[in-house]
Amino acid sequence: DVKVTQSSRYLVKRTGEKVFLECVQDMDHENMFWYRQDPGLGLRLIYFSYDVKMKEKGDIPEGYSVSREKKERFSLILESASTNQTSMYLCASSFIRTSPLHFGNGTRLTVT
Amino acid sequence: DAKTTQPNSMESNEEEPVHLPCNHSTISGTDYIHWYRQLPSQGPEYVIHGLTSNVNNRMASLAIAEDRKSSTLILHRATLRDAAVYYCIRIDQTGANNLFFGTGTRLTVIP
Repeated sequence: DVKVTQSSRYLVKRTGEKVFLECVQDMDHENMFWYRQDPGLGLRLIYFSYDVKMKEKGDIPEGYSVSREKKERFSLILESASTNQTSMYLCASSFIRTSPLHFGNGTRLTVT
Repeated sequence: DAKTTQPNSMESNEEEPVHLPCNHSTISGTDYIHWYRQLPSQGPEYVIHGLTSNVNNRMASLAIAEDRKSSTLILHRATLRDAAVYYCIRIDQTGANNLFFGTGTRLTVIP
C-alpha cells in the first residue's frame, strides 16, 4: 500500500515564524500535491509538482512556497506565518497525472 | 471552469443503495472522473475513477453519462462506515487546472 506521511499531526506556531510542513511518499510517485482544507471551503490546491525540482501554482499559492529536491519529499513553506493560514494541510501523491491521489492524514496547523 | 457540482448532503438508510450525483458539464475529452471519500480526522481516500465507461470495484460502482456531463457514484448497500464526505473531481493528463475538490456531499447513513 502507498504510504504518504506528513511529519506532524498537530503544529502550533506564532505569527511571523517560518514554518515547514514535510511530506514523504514511499511509492516512487511522480506527482505530489499540497492542499489546505477549511470548513465550508473544501480542499483547495496550493501547489503541486510533477517532477523533482519542478513546481506549479495551484488555486491559492499566495503566502506559500514549496520545495522538491528529492522525488519522495515535498515540503510546504510558510515564509511568515499568519493567522489566516491556520488550517488543515493535506499532502497527496500520484503515480502519473491521471492515476488516483493518495493522501496523508493531514497536519493541523494553528498560527497564534 | 474545472469545477464539479455536488449536493451538499444526502441521507440513506443502512443496507440500501445510495446514488451520489456529480455534475461536470464543462468536462473535456481528456478528463477522468475520480471519486474520493473522507472520514472524520482522515485524509481523503480514493474510491473509484473512470473516463467513459461505467466502472466497478469492491467499494462502489461509477456510472458515467453518455455525454459525460454527469456521473453517479453507487454504493450498493450503505453501511454506517460509509458515512463520509464524498468528492467528485476531474483529473486531466494535460495539466492540473482541475483537481478541484470543492465541498463534496456529506452522506449520512441512518441505522
